[in-house]
Amino acid sequence: GAVVSQHPSWVICKSGTSVKIECRSLDFQATTMFWYRQFPKQSLMLMATSNEGSKATYEQGVEKDKFLINHASLTLSTLTVTSAHPEDSSFYICSARDGVSAVYGYTFGSGTRLTVV
Amino acid sequence: QKEVEQNSGPLSVPEGAIASLNCTYSDRGSQSFFWYRQYSGKSPELIMFIYSNGDKEDGRFTAQLNKASQYVSLLIRDSQPSDSATYLCAVMETSGSRLTFGEGTQLTVNP
Repeated sequence: GAVVSQHPSWVICKSGTSVKIECRSLDFQATTMFWYRQFPKQSLMLMATSNEGSKATYEQGVEKDKFLINHASLTLSTLTVTSAHPEDSSFYICSARDGVSAVYGYTFGSGTRLTVV
Repeated sequence: QKEVEQNSGPLSVPEGAIASLNCTYSDRGSQSFFWYRQYSGKSPELIMFIYSNGDKEDGRFTAQLNKASQYVSLLIRDSQPSDSATYLCAVMETSGSRLTFGEGTQLTVNP
């Protein structure tokens, strides 16, 4: 089945620094990738949708200048948390949609636990 | 009203029992529905998807969809302790792109 590789699985960074999270589709072309954030005991909240070769679409309330998304190829999307602060500590998960068999297409990466100290 | 609502948990069932998880949605035009299982600290994994009214069975899991009532459920037969997790109901937007998730129902299967 479709596999999405997400790295790193966890990261600790100092307040004010930037962190990049990578999401790769290993055996399919991901025309669309979704980035979610999940706080403890809460559900997934969609942050943004990215389509290969175009600008990401951010959900209301998500700062596009703080959460930079790049989807430069059909197999790679990155999320950069810029000038991270403790309140950005969360579980970030990407999801890729297989452009061929889109009905099945929502495969999740393994997630990145970000802790900002 | 939330777009996707799940029955409040936590839900606790004994091993071997049937666990019933329920979900309602507000967008009447929604066509695709998904159930994900999420273990603590892990990302969600797809359990079932259903598009047509009625039942869909896969092993111990049965998804039920009633579009008229805007209701989708997941039944887990012969529940096992390994089924203990949070179950997320997800509905695809009418536009056919984004998934909207419910808050999740935490299930505990007691040995």
